[in-house]
Amino acid sequence: GDSVTQMEGPVTLSEEAFLTINCTYTATGYPSLFWYVQYPGEGLQLLLKATKADDKGSNKGFEATYRKETTSFHLEKGSVQVSDSAVYFCALRGGSYIPTFGRGTSLIVHP
Amino acid sequence: DSGVTQTPKHLITATGQRVTLRCSPRSGDLSVYWYQQSLDQGLQFLIQYYNGEERAKGNILERFSAQQFPDLHSELNLSSLELGDSALYFCASSANPGQKNTEAFFGQGTRLTVV
Repeated sequence: GDSVTQMEGPVTLSEEAFLTINCTYTATGYPSLFWYVQYPGEGLQLLLKATKADDKGSNKGFEATYRKETTSFHLEKGSVQVSDSAVYFCALRGGSYIPTFGRGTSLIVHP
Repeated sequence: DSGVTQTPKHLITATGQRVTLRCSPRSGDLSVYWYQQSLDQGLQFLIQYYNGEERAKGNILERFSAQQFPDLHSELNLSSLELGDSALYFCASSANPGQKNTEAFFGQGTRLTVV
C-alpha cells in the first residue's frame, strides 16, 4: 500500500537558517506528491506539489523536487523565518487515490 | 479560508457517550475524507465518501460510522467513546477523487476530548 515516511521533529532553527525536511515514499502506480503545512489551531493547507518525476514544486520560498529514483520529495527553504514555525506534512496520492500523509514534522524557528 | 466547514470546533464528552461531527465540503466538491490526528499516530485516514456513497475505508473502528447526505455534507458518528478516542478529527474535500494531482482542502478540525 501507499505510505510516507518523514523525519521526526521537532526541527529547531534560528531565523535565516537553511531548512531541509526529508520525505520518502512507497506507492503503487505513479503518485503525485504534496507538502502541506499546519499552523497552530488550523487545518492543513497545501504548500506545494509535484506530479511527475523531476518536477519541482515551489511556493513562499519553499521547494521540493520529485525524485523517482530515490522515491523522495525533500522540502527545502534557504532562509527560514519565525512565521514559518508550523507542522509540515509530506503526502501522496497514489494507486488508491486516497491522500496519504506522513506523521508530520514540527518546525520551530527562533529569532 | 479553505471553504470546508467543520462543527463543532471543540467537544468534551464522557466515556461511553456518542457524538456526531459535521462537515460541509467546499462548494462543488463531491468527495469527502475523514481523518483522525493524534500525537502518536499522526494523520490517519478513516473513510471516504463520494456523492453520497462510501468509496474507501481506512483505519476506522467499528464503533465509528459516517454518511454523506444529498446536500453533500457529511457526518462522522463516534459511539461508545473511550479515552483513546480523544484526538483532532479533520474533514477534507476534493473536486475529483479520480485524479491524483488534485489537492485536498481541509477544515479546521474538531477537537474531541473524552473524559
